[in-house]
Amino acid sequence: EAGVAQSPRYKIIEKRQSVAFWCNPISGHATLYWYQQILGQGPKLLIQFQNNGVVDDSQLPKDRFSAERLKGVDSTLKIQPAKLEDSAVYLCASSLGSGTYEQYFGPGTRLTVT
Amino acid sequence: QKEVEQDPGPLSVPEGAIVSLNCTYSNSAFQYFMWYRQYSRKGPELLMYTYSSGNKEDGRFTAQVDKSSKYISLFIRDSQPSDSATYLCARNTGGFKTIFGAGTRLFVKA
Repeated sequence: EAGVAQSPRYKIIEKRQSVAFWCNPISGHATLYWYQQILGQGPKLLIQFQNNGVVDDSQLPKDRFSAERLKGVDSTLKIQPAKLEDSAVYLCASSLGSGTYEQYFGPGTRLTVT
Repeated sequence: QKEVEQDPGPLSVPEGAIVSLNCTYSNSAFQYFMWYRQYSRKGPELLMYTYSSGNKEDGRFTAQVDKSSKYISLFIRDSQPSDSATYLCARNTGGFKTIFGAGTRLFVKA
């Protein structure tokens, strides 16, 4: 079974630039999550999709972050414009459904904003 | 007060030692708890989960929940260098959101 795929793995941008991350979940997983993990902290949920609908985006900074899940499969997370404090690892995860506890994580995208 | 608190460590032990990793939580609602392991530059992977109270064992790993003290523990027996990683505890109320602790870094020395 193929795991969660993410790209790019690393990205360096200057502040005020824009950046996009891509995620392809495990086939058949209805729920997709984007997390932000700042160095030394645990993952913090940014947005959760159930199929192509948003379940929870309460911690997504909507003035600069946006996300979509095309046709209920892969997903894109965008930051525009980036700030220094956005430097973090962005993790994508998927699960069979929203009520299931087991989430499968991708390797993450390490973003550095200079 | 954070919903899930962990000592960030690092915790360094010799190979073969018994490791005890701990978390405290603040919400008393029905919930289940998880332990994830995260190797450097990798995504977390689920190790174990358990419901509101009791123990669960899986090979060298035992997860324990003490509901009265709101304490969650993970024990690793016969620790190996390959166990060196960050261990994240997490809770979920059975709804949609999983809350992670900050993680404890563990080093097992050969």
